[in-house]
Amino acid sequence: SAVISQKPSRDICQRGTSLTIQCQVDSQVTMMFWYRQQPGQSLTLIATANQGSEATYESGFVIDKFPISRPNLTFSTLTVSNMSPEDSSIYLCSVEVSPSTDTQYFGPGTRLTVL
Amino acid sequence: DQQVKQNSPSLSVQEGRISILNCDYTNSMFDYFLWYKKYPAEGPTFLISISSIKDKNEDGRFTVFLNKSAKHLSLHIVPSQPGDSAVYFCAASPGSGGSNYKLTFGKGTLLTVNP
Repeated sequence: SAVISQKPSRDICQRGTSLTIQCQVDSQVTMMFWYRQQPGQSLTLIATANQGSEATYESGFVIDKFPISRPNLTFSTLTVSNMSPEDSSIYLCSVEVSPSTDTQYFGPGTRLTVL
Repeated sequence: DQQVKQNSPSLSVQEGRISILNCDYTNSMFDYFLWYKKYPAEGPTFLISISSIKDKNEDGRFTVFLNKSAKHLSLHIVPSQPGDSAVYFCAASPGSGGSNYKLTFGKGTLLTVNP
């Protein structure tokens, strides 16, 4: 497994502002992902954070709204841009430690509330 | 269209008894399945997984059963303990390793184990 930390753990933001969430892993990993869990819903994959190149976004998510950086194999950021109340969710990063399985390990999450 | 379904939003059992959490899926391309446990204010914790080449995988008190023909899997916890009280997520992926990494999650089942 891996030890994953996220900052901030929670935040309350105003409509129209942006928030950057950081994800730090204690070891080098190939795959890093960002998920969103809206209230009462399942976890939904936003994008795969690719080291040294642009992130790969899932249907319904775009780079202008959720820019992602991954400068190295242990760190990634997700920015939630021009926020609205609908962006209130828990945002989670995850990593895949072994390339031979699809087991992902999750960070503690960032609880975002947009007023 | 939900491809992974957990039809029971909640389940309550007595300490020491068996907990059975169920999950159904619709996508026949799924062949790797995982269970995660989530406590409030924490990220999901990986519990156990199973590949489609097996019909059972056991790890201590946790056993996952897979019925491919019925597109159904279940997680058995025996004996249940109060510390098992959490939300349990079922997840599925179309491949083991490589580029088929995308996990699709169910909405979760809240398990309460009563002392």
